[in-house]
Amino acid sequence: DAGVTQSPTHLIKTRGQQVTLRCSPKSGHDTVSWYQQALGQGPQFIFQYYEEEERQRGNFPDRFSGHQFPNYSSELNVNALLLGDSALYLCASSLGQRVEAFFGQGTRLTVV
Amino acid sequence: AQTVTQSQPEMSVQEAETVTLSCTYDTSENNYYLFWYKQPPSRQMILVIRQEAYKQQNATENRFSVNFQKAAKSFSLKISDSQLGDTAMYFCAFMWRGAQKLVFGQGTRLTINP
Repeated sequence: DAGVTQSPTHLIKTRGQQVTLRCSPKSGHDTVSWYQQALGQGPQFIFQYYEEEERQRGNFPDRFSGHQFPNYSSELNVNALLLGDSALYLCASSLGQRVEAFFGQGTRLTVV
Repeated sequence: AQTVTQSQPEMSVQEAETVTLSCTYDTSENNYYLFWYKQPPSRQMILVIRQEAYKQQNATENRFSVNFQKAAKSFSLKISDSQLGDTAMYFCAFMWRGAQKLVFGQGTRLTINP
C-alpha cells in the first residue's frame, strides 16, 4: 500500500516564477492538507481539500492556491514566488473526519 | 487562536536513557486532540502518539508515553530506553475537534548518542 507521495522532491525556481507541487494521498483517503515548513520551524497549515473543494484555509496570501482532482490527488500552486517562499512543502492525507493524518516526504522548494 | 510552545530547541541523551520533551499549548476549546510527531532526516512526519483531551488516562505506545495535564495545558512526551533511531526532530501538535488542521510547535531536536 503506497503511502502519501509527493513530486517533485526538490525544486529550484527564480523569484517571480510560478510553481506547481503535486500530492497523491494514501490509498482510500479523500482529504488532502498542505503545510509549509520553513527551515528550523514547525509546519504551518496552508489549506485543506475535500470533495474537490477548499474546506479550510490558513493565513496564507492568495498567491497560494490549490486543486483537488476526482481521484483525490491534489496540487499546490504558488504564483509570483518570493524568496521567503523557500521551504519544505508537506502534504498530508486523511479519511473523512478521522483525525490521523499521514504525511508525505515533502517537496523542498528553493527560490533564488 | 491556538498556539503550541516547545521550550527545548535541542536535547541530547545517551542511548538507553529516558528523556522527556516538553510542550505547552493555549486554547479556549474543550474538545481537542494532541499529538507528537517525529521528523527524521528523511523529512517525513511520523505520528508517535496521540491523546484525546476528554480522556484522563495518559496515552502510551510501547516506549513512548505522555503526561497530559489538561488544567495546566501541558503535554510532555517521555521516551524510555532511548535508541539511536529515535534521533529526530519532535513536534508537538494540536488539533481542535471538528477541524482537521494541525497547529505545530517549533520542534525539539533530539539526539541519542551511542
